This record gives sequence, C-alpha cells and structure tokens, in this order.
Amino acid sequence: NAGVTQTPKFQVLKTGQSMTLQCAQDMNHNSMYWYRQDPGMGLRLIYYSASEGTTDKGEVPNGYNVSRLNKREFSLRLESAAPSQTSVYFCASTRALGGTGDVGPQHFGDGTRLSIL
Amino acid sequence: AQSVTQLGSHVSVSEGALVLLRCNYSSSVPPYLFWYVQYPNQGLQLLLKYTSAATLVKGINGFEAEFKKSETSFHLTKPSAHMSDAAEYFCAVAGGSYIPTFGRGTSLIVHP
Repeated sequence: NAGVTQTPKFQVLKTGQSMTLQCAQDMNHNSMYWYRQDPGMGLRLIYYSASEGTTDKGEVPNGYNVSRLNKREFSLRLESAAPSQTSVYFCASTRALGGTGDVGPQHFGDGTRLSIL
Repeated sequence: AQSVTQLGSHVSVSEGALVLLRCNYSSSVPPYLFWYVQYPNQGLQLLLKYTSAATLVKGINGFEAEFKKSETSFHLTKPSAHMSDAAEYFCAVAGGSYIPTFGRGTSLIVHP
C-alpha cells in the first residue's frame, strides 16, 4: 500500500525560484490537505481540497497556490520562494470532509524537506 | 473556533514508567479528537481517535486516551514506556468545520 506519496523528499531552492510539490494518494479519498511543520509550531494548514474541483485557504496560505489535478493528486506551488518558506511540507488525505457524519483520520505522506537560501 | 493546547513541549520518562501526555482542547461543538505519533523523518500516524462512542479510547502500541468533557481534556497514557515509544506526539481536534487543528506537539524522551 503506497498511501500518500510526496515528491520530492528534499529540495534546496534559491530565493525567488519557483517549484511545485507533488502529492498523490491511492486510497480513493475525497479530501486532501497541505500542511507545513516548523519547530515548536505543530502543523499549520496551508490549503485544503474538500473534494475534486474545490480548494480553500487554510491558516497560512500566503505565498502558495494549489491545484487539485484530479481525485488522486493535489499539488502545492511556490511561485517565488522566500527563506520564511523553509519548512517541512506534509500532504494528507481523508475519506471525506464531514458530510458523512464522521471525521476520518488523516493519512500523511512522509514529507518534503524544503530549504530556501 | 477550536484550539488545542499540549502541556509540555518535552516529556522525559524512564523505560517501564508511566507515560502521560496532556492535551486540552476547546471546541464550540462536540469534538472529534485524535492523537498522532511522528517518528523522525516520517509523516504522522494515527494512534487513536475519539468520536463519542466511548470515553476511554484504546489505540495502537498500548496507548489509550480518556475524554473528559468537564475538563475539556484528552490525555494520552501508556502504562509502561518502551524505548521505541520515543517520538513526537500530536493532539488534534476537529469541530464543526471537520478540519483538524493540531497542537504544537510533545516530544517523548525515553531513558534506559
């Protein structure tokens, strides 16, 4: 079972460069999420997609864009990277975001470690 | 609005000792509550989940958590710590929006 797959695992960028972080899940989940994890800050939600065709801002969306390419894939783009975006990025998915009367647990990828110089 | 407070960024125990990781939450609606564990260089994995079926929830690896509405708490316990339990632990709450909010995490250190 692959679960949630994130690519790349590591990346170093220079300030101002752009890049796209890829995420794919094979569990037929409807909802997908992007988080960043910084020391002592826990996980903070950047964007989420409740279902295919929809995306919404989370707690810290500035400087990021997302695309829900299809039900399986949810990408995160940094248009002009800044040192403040140095972080570990996690993609997650759940069966459904509410609606079913149950909040399923999130399934996480292993993260992308991004350094911006 | 919902929020989570994890008391103690680091908890240190001896192998074989009781593990107690504290989590207090706030939620305007009956919450869903979760504990996740994160090992180095990995993503988060679900330990257990509370959904109102029972106040005492048993999870994987011998962990359990008790929901106490009057104290707005969901503390995680394990009777006897193993070296392999050393990891980062996150409490999360999901209320009306169904989107979980995570605490800042507690690093569990286990001494031999």
